Amino acid sequence: QVQLMESGPGLVQPSETLSLTCTVSGFSLTSYNVHWVRQPPGKGLEWMGVMWSGGSTDYNSALKSRLSISRDTSKNQVFLKMNSLQSEDTTTYYCARVSNWEGFFDYWGQGVMVTVSS
Amino acid sequence: IQMTQSPSLLSASVGDRVTLSCKAGQNINNYLAWYQQKLGEAPKLLIYNANSLQTGIPSRFSGSGSGTDYTLTISSLQPEDVATYFCQQYNSWWTFGGGTKLELK
Repeated sequence: QVQLMESGPGLVQPSETLSLTCTVSGFSLTSYNVHWVRQPPGKGLEWMGVMWSGGSTDYNSALKSRLSISRDTSKNQVFLKMNSLQSEDTTTYYCARVSNWEGFFDYWGQGVMVTVSS
Repeated sequence: IQMTQSPSLLSASVGDRVTLSCKAGQNINNYLAWYQQKLGEAPKLLIYNANSLQTGIPSRFSGSGSGTDYTLTISSLQPEDVATYFCQQYNSWWTFGGGTKLELK
């Protein structure tokens, strides 16, 4: 059974760094790509970046300077770190799976809401 | 690639045939997916490759289109279809439309 689950702090101080974890089960990180997508309250979805199955990464150009994605295949985890957080980074963060031969997101985590506030 | 959905809000009655539109800023070669998002939930894949129905999705949902213009159709609206629907292109990186909120009249 394919599952993805995000975890991380619900509250982050402005200018600090956000660290999130996506723990997956039911598939291998070396066979599927894991993406991060975010959604401000009541708004649309924004693609953030991808951890490719081969271990490389790509990022949304708008976030590239602040964003880092890594993984630990032994723990079935993908990590997101984003620095210099501001109020506009208050949003729900999702991780989602994409197969190597397709581009659509077939499984999503439940999402984690992060508020940037002092 | 910019994705534009219309309308942003749609009111319809149970049993209605409902059509949602999605327009891409350039040809996306049918690399188009549709997602349903209910309040407080993660998006759920409905349609991929413009017209392929994801496993487990009711057959009242269908997708069509080509080039830059795509459509999601619900043949007979059910109460459980109340949600926001997003289109997404994956021809060049990944971008989403702004969504269409579907409500019952």
